[in-house]
Amino acid sequence: AQSVTQLDSQVPVFEEAPVELRCNYSSSVSVYLFWYVQYPNQGLQLLLKYLSGSTLVKGINGFEAEFNKSQTSFHLRKPSVHISDTAEYFCAVSPYGAGSYQLTFGKGTKLSVIP
Amino acid sequence: KAGVTQTPRYLIKTRGQQVTLSCSPISGHRSVSWYQQTPGQGLQFLFEYFSETQRNKGNFPGRFSGRQFSNSRSEMNVSTLELGDSALYLCATSGGTSGGEQYFGPGTRLTVT
Repeated sequence: AQSVTQLDSQVPVFEEAPVELRCNYSSSVSVYLFWYVQYPNQGLQLLLKYLSGSTLVKGINGFEAEFNKSQTSFHLRKPSVHISDTAEYFCAVSPYGAGSYQLTFGKGTKLSVIP
Repeated sequence: KAGVTQTPRYLIKTRGQQVTLSCSPISGHRSVSWYQQTPGQGLQFLFEYFSETQRNKGNFPGRFSGRQFSNSRSEMNVSTLELGDSALYLCATSGGTSGGEQYFGPGTRLTVT
């Protein structure tokens, strides 16, 4: 079984400041890692994913994340946030080679960008 | 390509009734998963269908069921609705790419009164 912990439920940050949203996971098997974003009254949009290879992955809208296997973390970062980044962000994992695409999600982090 | 579509977008039902939600995947996607999103429990996996077969199921009571048709469209049904079933129900589809990245629909907001 897998579990995902998002360490901050809410993160306020001023516009143009950097931000880091933290994610730790637990799994007895290898996993794929994802970050999704959800805007109000919408579904989830994939920001980025880590499957294998380079531990630094770049996604859409200027976001990037770094996979740290020893710390079982997959933190999301953006060097300069915009008002439009205000949304809820979810970290998720799915087991590698399990024959199923089931995602296990964290509880989410609400990012509020302050003008 | 058109995205994942879900119908209806909003639904109000009374306790004890049943409801059917529909999901049309992205063209070519054969995997369809359903998730329930609530403020208290967050996003929870309900079940996944692939080529008309359920291949994985989450920890939900038997009142929650689903099916997939030959064109990959999927429906989920909830019988004997309870107040606690009020939630956003999200459908996600996958084309089987490495890692199984999933694409989500806008969801169906179900309110049980």
